This record gives sequence, C-alpha cells and structure tokens, in this order.
Amino acid sequence: EAQVTQNPRYLITVTGKKLTVTCSQNMNHEYMSWYRQDPGLGLRQIYYSMNVEVTDKGDVPEGYKVSRKEKRNFPLILESPSPNQTSLYFCASSFNGNEQFFGPGTRLTVL
Amino acid sequence: GENVEQHPSTLSVQEGDSAVIKCTYSDSASNYFPWYKQELGKRPQLIIDIRSNVGEKKDQRIAVTLNKTAKHFSLHITETQPEDSAVYFCAASRDDKIIFGKGTRLHILP
Repeated sequence: EAQVTQNPRYLITVTGKKLTVTCSQNMNHEYMSWYRQDPGLGLRQIYYSMNVEVTDKGDVPEGYKVSRKEKRNFPLILESPSPNQTSLYFCASSFNGNEQFFGPGTRLTVL
Repeated sequence: GENVEQHPSTLSVQEGDSAVIKCTYSDSASNYFPWYKQELGKRPQLIIDIRSNVGEKKDQRIAVTLNKTAKHFSLHITETQPEDSAVYFCAASRDDKIIFGKGTRLHILP
C-alpha cells in the first residue's frame, strides 16, 4: 500500500530535550516536505527537499533541522524544542512537488 | 514574503446549496494551485487542482477557476452534502515552495 508514515504519532516532551520525528514514504517520490498546523494559521511549510541531499527552507524553518540521506526518509529534528513548537506536524511527499500525499500527523507538546 | 489569502474563514451553507471559497496569491511565478480537504482528526487530502495554463477545471460537484491576471482562484462546490463538512485549504506553488491559505471551515446545515 502506497503511504507516508510518521513516528511517533504523539509526543510530550520538555523544553531543550532533542527529538526527532521520522517520516518515510514508499512511493519513490523525489519531493518531501514538513508542515506544521496551528489553529487559525493553516499549514505552514517548514522545510522541503526536492531530492536526496537537497533541502531548502520553507516559511518557518527556525528551530528545525532536516536531512535527506535516502530518498524514502526525511526526518525532522528539533535540537532544542521550545513551547512555541507545540503543534501538529505533517510530513508529505509528492512525485514532482505538486500533489502532496500527507502522513497521518504527529502531535507534539513541549512543556 | 509570499502570501496566500483565503476567504471566508468560516462558511455555513444549507444542504443542497452551493459553497464558494476564494483565494488570492502574491507570487506571480506560482503555477500550480491545489485544494485540500481536511476532515476532523484526519490528514489533508487533495480534492482538485489546476495549473496556470488552464482557466477552469471541474470534477463532478467540485470546480476550480483561476484568474492569473488578478492572481486569484476559487473553489466551487455545488449541491452540498453533509460529508462536505470539513476544513478546506487552498495553496499556491511554483514546483518547489508551497504556500497554503489559512483554511475555511465549511459547515453544511441540515
């Protein structure tokens, strides 16, 4: 089954404790992206990657890192999480940067 | 920075009536305009999209129109049904970066 998976689905952590949210797709998509969704603000792009070893900043990259060492994986790293990073995070992939296939979401709470 | 404005933020329509959601974008290089539907607790899913070389596209009860000169595009849902209740997002893309609107919560009233 073609899909995008994210782990964990739910995470509660404390300020400053490094964390990684994994994202994997099995559709051989070149384009992958991370978004955060906050009430009233819609979906905002954090980082995107158009291919292996190529990553670019989206609209809200501050406080986040990504890597794209393999085509199927695109982890999101928060080196020192802060409460303003409490949000719902979606990973997505697409064939050419157009139709986005979203993962199930990761709800992150930073205390 | 680049921006996509979406209106209204909330829309209530009687079942069977039509719903229209409008978006404007600022980046004239945008060439792809998708619409996503997000049901409560679910992930966003594409419902229709349009490219910059097309003015209108229709898929059953859903249609999208694009005016590149004015930099606005709209989603039209006809004969609305209860299952159309959701949050709808427009977006503008230029093959790399994607900017989403803030969303429209659509309520279908019985």
